[in-house]
Amino acid sequence: SSELTQDPAVSVALGQTVRITCQGDSLRSYYASWYQQKPGQAPVLVIYGKNNRPSGIPDRISGSRSGNTASLTITGPQAEDEADYYCSSRDSSGNHVVFGGGTKLTVL
Amino acid sequence: QVQLQESGPGLVKPSETLSLTCTVSGGSISSYYWSWIRQPPGKGLEWIGYIYYSGSTNYNPSLKSRVTISVDTSKSQFSLRLSSVTAADTALYFCAREMYYYDSSGYYSYYDYWGQGTLVTVSS
Repeated sequence: SSELTQDPAVSVALGQTVRITCQGDSLRSYYASWYQQKPGQAPVLVIYGKNNRPSGIPDRISGSRSGNTASLTITGPQAEDEADYYCSSRDSSGNHVVFGGGTKLTVL
Repeated sequence: QVQLQESGPGLVKPSETLSLTCTVSGGSISSYYWSWIRQPPGKGLEWIGYIYYSGSTNYNPSLKSRVTISVDTSKSQFSLRLSSVTAADTALYFCAREMYYYDSSGYYSYYDYWGQGTLVTVSS
């Protein structure tokens, strides 16, 4: 399969913990990467590999993988974490890149 | 600090060819994969295709018949051509650098640098 599936929208209360998931057969072989996108801005890489954060990404954001599902967890989200989140990986062939449909995170 | 900058016309007529260039600065274009990614207004990200610095390419199967990506390493630029455009090709177009490698833990693929994006509207 060349698809990555995400829930369209998730909400979380300020300070609680939220998990955003991404499902796809390619994730059994390829680590997902995760991107945060705010309105009018380019996506920003927040997680890659097993659980790696680029410089400047807060440690309340973490990643994991189990079978064909990758997860992005935000522990104690802040208002500034409200954004669209996309997962991505190579497809099972390794020749193409696929993106999930995106999850809109609302912080209440 | 690596920077990517898209350039090209913001308005293209239906049936014509969309052409964009991405200029890479602050780092080498060698040894990386370089992608074009687009986002229609209000929708998600769609991978268009990539080119390796050596010139090898791969494209989204849904766009393959209309897409050409090329690279000019001497200018640190790579370019996108999308032919026979329609209103459905109206989107924010991003260029991005992909890190792609393998280690004992598995395969890694991620975009660590993105351009700011350029809006291309297809309209007569």
